[in-house]
Amino acid sequence: DVKVTQSSRYLVKRTGEKVFLECVQDMDHENMFWYRQDPGLGLRLIYFSYDVKMKEKGDIPEGYSVSREKKERFSLILESASTNQTSMYLCASSRTGDINEQYFGPGTRLTVT
Amino acid sequence: GQNIDQPTEMTATEGAIVQINCTYQTSGFNGLFWYQQHAGEAPTFLSYNVLDGLEEKGRFSSFLSRSKGYSYLLLKELQMKDSASYLCAVMDSNYQLIWGAGTKLIIKP
Repeated sequence: DVKVTQSSRYLVKRTGEKVFLECVQDMDHENMFWYRQDPGLGLRLIYFSYDVKMKEKGDIPEGYSVSREKKERFSLILESASTNQTSMYLCASSRTGDINEQYFGPGTRLTVT
Repeated sequence: GQNIDQPTEMTATEGAIVQINCTYQTSGFNGLFWYQQHAGEAPTFLSYNVLDGLEEKGRFSSFLSRSKGYSYLLLKELQMKDSASYLCAVMDSNYQLIWGAGTKLIIKP
């Protein structure tokens, strides 16, 4: 059974803190993605990775960085959390191929106070 | 710019049929996806269309017209568990997914 897991379902952090969100997939997928989801907006891509140690900026990379040291793990880092980064963060993975269906993790609801 | 439009919210009755529309304007087209997302849960894949026409999968069907930039998701014999948000997403020329804001479907008994 396909599985994407995220380190926390709920997280509360203070402004200025460094925040790590971890994502692990067990499907040997090449591609991994980080999105944020806010009410009334579609999923917005923050960063993605097509291979180990490779990363590409998405539509809204400002204030975020990522790390992919192993194929199965993709981390999202908020260097200095701000209140406008309060959101639902979703990780996804997909294999390289025809349909590129993305499999999502359960999400992390981050609140920055 | 790239744009995906779908209604914000729809209401339907248990046992009935509902059609959720999606129109898009993107730079290139490499397929259109529909996902279902229950409240507080991850999106899950429903369907993929890359050629014009209707794809049927049980109670759910998805239609695509590339010339019109239009798709719909048709849900038949609605059940209470179909209450969810339905997300339309288009894969553009760079193989990136462009997402609509989602349609919240409310099913009433």
